[in-house]
Amino acid sequence: NAGVMQNPRHLVRRRGQEARLRCSPMKGHSHVYWYRQLPEEGLKFMVYLQKENIIDESGMPKERFSAEFPKEGPSILRIQQVVRGDSAAYFCASSPPGLAGARTDTQYFGPGTRLTVL
Amino acid sequence: AQSVTQLGSHVSVSEGALVLLRCNYSSSVPPYLFWYVQYPNQGLQLLLKYTTGATLVKGINGFEAEFKKSETSFHLTKPSAHMSDAAEYFCAVRTNAGGTSYGKLTFGQGTILTVHP
Repeated sequence: NAGVMQNPRHLVRRRGQEARLRCSPMKGHSHVYWYRQLPEEGLKFMVYLQKENIIDESGMPKERFSAEFPKEGPSILRIQQVVRGDSAAYFCASSPPGLAGARTDTQYFGPGTRLTVL
Repeated sequence: AQSVTQLGSHVSVSEGALVLLRCNYSSSVPPYLFWYVQYPNQGLQLLLKYTTGATLVKGINGFEAEFKKSETSFHLTKPSAHMSDAAEYFCAVRTNAGGTSYGKLTFGQGTILTVHP
């Protein structure tokens, strides 16, 4: 049973380019969360998605960042016109759909994508 | 709004000594509390969690934590440190969102644990 998969693991971009980060949740999971870990800081929530819907994007920067989780395929975090301040580790987590009485409160994390902006 | 404070960004212990990593939280509703461990250049692995019921929670690798509502704390302990415990540890809080259990995690700043031979 594969865990949460993220690719690429490392991504280098020059200022002004676009970065696309992919996340495949665990099998059977329909909820995806993205977090960002800046150097010397803890993880900060960015966005929470279900299939084809953004549920909570309160942690997303207002500009240049977008996320999607299509009906088919992985979730994508997209950063347009990257700047040096975007350099960070981006983690994806997933959780299963809620069932009555089920303990669906654990988020399982992927290995992260480390973005470096030159 | 919820928040998490981890006291001590770095903790150093000798192998075999007690490990104590402190976590205090702020939440307006009953929280779910988590401890995660992160090894260098890896993702986060769940150590243990508190949702409801017994306030002393046992996790993997010999770790445990106790939820103390009166102190708003969820400190992580391990009786005897091992070299392999060296890592960064994150405490996190989560509140139910709209009656479901899908709420986002709010993390503390992290505590780097160093274990000396």
